[in-house]
Amino acid sequence: NAGVTQTPKFQVLKTGQSMTLQCAQDMNHNSMYWYRQDPGMGLRLIYYSASEGTTDKGEVPNGYNVSRLNKREFSLRLESAAPSQTSVYFCASSHAKGDTEAFFGQGTRLTVV
Amino acid sequence: LAKTTQPISMDSYEGQEVNITCSHNNIATNDYITWYQQFPSQGPRFIIQGYKTKVTNEVASLFIPADRKSSTLSLPRVSLSDTAVYYCLVRSSGGSYIPTFGRGTSLIVHP
Repeated sequence: NAGVTQTPKFQVLKTGQSMTLQCAQDMNHNSMYWYRQDPGMGLRLIYYSASEGTTDKGEVPNGYNVSRLNKREFSLRLESAAPSQTSVYFCASSHAKGDTEAFFGQGTRLTVV
Repeated sequence: LAKTTQPISMDSYEGQEVNITCSHNNIATNDYITWYQQFPSQGPRFIIQGYKTKVTNEVASLFIPADRKSSTLSLPRVSLSDTAVYYCLVRSSGGSYIPTFGRGTSLIVHP
């Protein structure tokens, strides 16, 4: 049982480059989330998808776009990476918005130079 | 959404009991208290949830007083592997809850 799988685990980008972070869950969860975590900080919500076909902005959505490709997959895209987007990105899923337990992936460590 | 306040950091030694208190003065009637644990270089994982009084599982105990304005996560006889960041979250039993994490409490367990 893989749970939540994120790819890649590490990435270095040059300023202005674009990339997509992939996330897939195999728990048949309805809700999926993208967070970023900066050193010494908690997790801040970027975007979430309460159910397949819907996406909503979180606390820090600027500079990002998301796609809920199907029930399993929720991708995060950086169209023009900036050094301020250097962070660790976590994808999570839960059975439903409001569910007790969210399951997290292992994270993607992104550095923008 | 009730705001939570918890200590930024704590230190302990192996074999001691650790208690981390979270303040949530504006908790609503339908809100639950949830705790997550995050090891270095990993995503957070759910460890315990409670509504009132005491909840215990294989990882921790959660104590919630009658007024529910605070809660205490208790880790019995910690080991080095309990070194982690612990997050207190308040969630509504309704459908609009999105897991919202503060800075958490960084617990360091020393030999």
